[in-house]
Amino acid sequence: AQSVAQPEDQVNVAEGNPLTVKCTYSVSGNPYLFWYVQYPNRGLQFLLKYITGDNLVKGSYGFEAEFNKSQTSFHLKKPSALVSDSALYFCAVRAQPRIKAAGNKLTFGGGTRVLVKP
Amino acid sequence: EAGVAQSPRYKIIEKRQSVAFWCNPISGHATLYWYQQILGQGPKLLIQFQNNGVVDDSQLPKDRFSAERLKGVDSTLKIQPAKLEDSAVYLCASSLGGGFTDTQYFGPGTRLTVL
Repeated sequence: AQSVAQPEDQVNVAEGNPLTVKCTYSVSGNPYLFWYVQYPNRGLQFLLKYITGDNLVKGSYGFEAEFNKSQTSFHLKKPSALVSDSALYFCAVRAQPRIKAAGNKLTFGGGTRVLVKP
Repeated sequence: EAGVAQSPRYKIIEKRQSVAFWCNPISGHATLYWYQQILGQGPKLLIQFQNNGVVDDSQLPKDRFSAERLKGVDSTLKIQPAKLEDSAVYLCASSLGGGFTDTQYFGPGTRLTVL
């Protein structure tokens, strides 16, 4: 079965400092990886995804993520955090279709709360 | 472009009552998903539709939950009867196709409280 781990429940960072949100995954075969952000009382907003190709993926609002196959990780990064980045961040994985047993589901991690202090 | 619409935004019911949620996906999106998000957890897929056919409902508690997408556009999710553990946010999402690389776009969700 596929799974996602977000080892930190909360990440605190000062405004202007680099932000990293960690994500590791487990899936049979090659993964498709996604990051979403959730603001209070709102649905999930898509940030970026890794499908294939360049391991460094650039997304919305200045976020990027690096796919590391050997470490089965897909950490989200932002060089300079803003107070408005304070939100709940979710990593998600889906197996590539040749692995039939893994199914078609998008599996989410438990989320990491980011708090950016002025 | 309008996003995924959901209603109501909030619902409070007593246990054993029934409740229904409505979702209107992004125009032209063939695939629609219903997720359950319990407080402190990531969303869990309940059911996936491709047009008006069910692709995956393996995690839908079929003894009490039902969903339909009659004309391949709007969808409703129903719970009857509700239990305390059904308290959660119910998220609807849509994607252009049903492909593994397709991005899913989420609505604002319906927060259900079962007392």
